[in-house]
Amino acid sequence: SQQGEEDPQALSIQEGENATMNCSYKTSINNLQWYRQNSGRGLVHLILIRSNEREKHSGRLRVTLDTSKKSSSLLITASRAADTASYFCATDAYSGGSNYKLTFGKGTLLTVNP
Amino acid sequence: DAGVIQSPRHEVTEMGQEVTLRCKPISGHNSLFWYRQTMMRGLELLIYFNNNVPIDDSGMPEDRFSAKMPNASFSTLKIQPSEPRDSAVYFCASSNGQGASYEQYFGPGTRLTVT
Repeated sequence: SQQGEEDPQALSIQEGENATMNCSYKTSINNLQWYRQNSGRGLVHLILIRSNEREKHSGRLRVTLDTSKKSSSLLITASRAADTASYFCATDAYSGGSNYKLTFGKGTLLTVNP
Repeated sequence: DAGVIQSPRHEVTEMGQEVTLRCKPISGHNSLFWYRQTMMRGLELLIYFNNNVPIDDSGMPEDRFSAKMPNASFSTLKIQPSEPRDSAVYFCASSNGQGASYEQYFGPGTRLTVT
């Protein structure tokens, strides 16, 4: 079952605009990851943020984490047509013993129009 | 590095046939994951291995599915017999660490169609 849920399901913007995607989850986490998937391809890791971090940057990406609200956001600044993809958040879920596994949301489909 | 390698990339088979999907993880990675992606259910973890040992197979749908990892550089996911509802994209991923605290590297996927 999915732990994280992305919002919105789909987002369409113009090149140069910023894109914000949100992720909400239900149970406490150790970390949260964001991935991108281009059509017909495998997922590519973007960024990992730990539960004791509030914000993280990587290039044009900015991720925030609010553990009190059980939510995260991914901001892509100055978007490009090449950013068109589906974006997924993934949270760790207890897997038994001392093990955890990643569970993925259903993703946000971002379309950046040139 | 070539990344995670999966074969075949596409597989079309008839209901009742055996299907074997193959995966070669990134060299040096000690965890391997099999996922299934469909429009309806999204991305689901089927099973994951750490140091070639299955850690969690709770996502394997039923006895028709089995996975093996005979060594650190090879894993298979087998479906026998296959059914139309098994049609999906199957991804293999690997990571350099156990569990969910490490980034995972995904292969290109195998698109399976069962008619």
